[in-house]
Amino acid sequence: DAGVIQSPRHEVTEMGQEVTLRCKPISGHDYLFWYRQTMMRGLELLIYFNNNVPIDDSGMPEDRFSAKMPNASFSTLKIQPSEPRDSAVYFCASSHLLLPWPTEAFFGQGTRLTVV
Amino acid sequence: KQEVTQIPAALSVPEGENLVLNCSFTDSAIYNLQWFRQDPGKGLTSLLLIQSSQREQTSGRLNASLDKSSGRSTLYIAASQPGDSATYLCAVMLFRDDKIIFGKGTRLHILP
Repeated sequence: DAGVIQSPRHEVTEMGQEVTLRCKPISGHDYLFWYRQTMMRGLELLIYFNNNVPIDDSGMPEDRFSAKMPNASFSTLKIQPSEPRDSAVYFCASSHLLLPWPTEAFFGQGTRLTVV
Repeated sequence: KQEVTQIPAALSVPEGENLVLNCSFTDSAIYNLQWFRQDPGKGLTSLLLIQSSQREQTSGRLNASLDKSSGRSTLYIAASQPGDSATYLCAVMLFRDDKIIFGKGTRLHILP
């Protein structure tokens, strides 16, 4: 498996534009996590899915953020409209609940978002 | 609410020294604890995973321990090398809701 794949790797956009970040988890993994990383706040969990169903989105900062997982191999994180304070690195991670213990979480390379 | 704390925030040591990075967490109801390495501008690489039923895990020069009752984990790096310079993060997966919560990391610099 190629690991968790995120696209794009870098995104520069103007304030007010819609941004869509994409993630392909490792095949067979049933958990998918979206994180945002900034210098000030470190890695923050935004939302996570189990078997394609959003379980907890309490970390999503505002209604401008939304995430979907239409199938087991694809997830998107959308920001509309984007603002400069959304600039950060966004990571996607996946893991597998191999009873009774979850496996390691594997991370993608991240998307560096810059909103100007 | 689970909080994960890593101390120190930054550490510089001469090459060849053994060192210990610390991680503490407030809620002991965890599935596992994982240590990651992050190089500047890069993603996270998993180093070691300790299940809650385990006390330690070893990989090469790295040894991670877990004391769930006291809410602590340490990452021991033996014979440090300049290539070990990176940020090291610990993360716990919570038993009650499967969330993975991270500490803010320790920035490690190994002096040649």
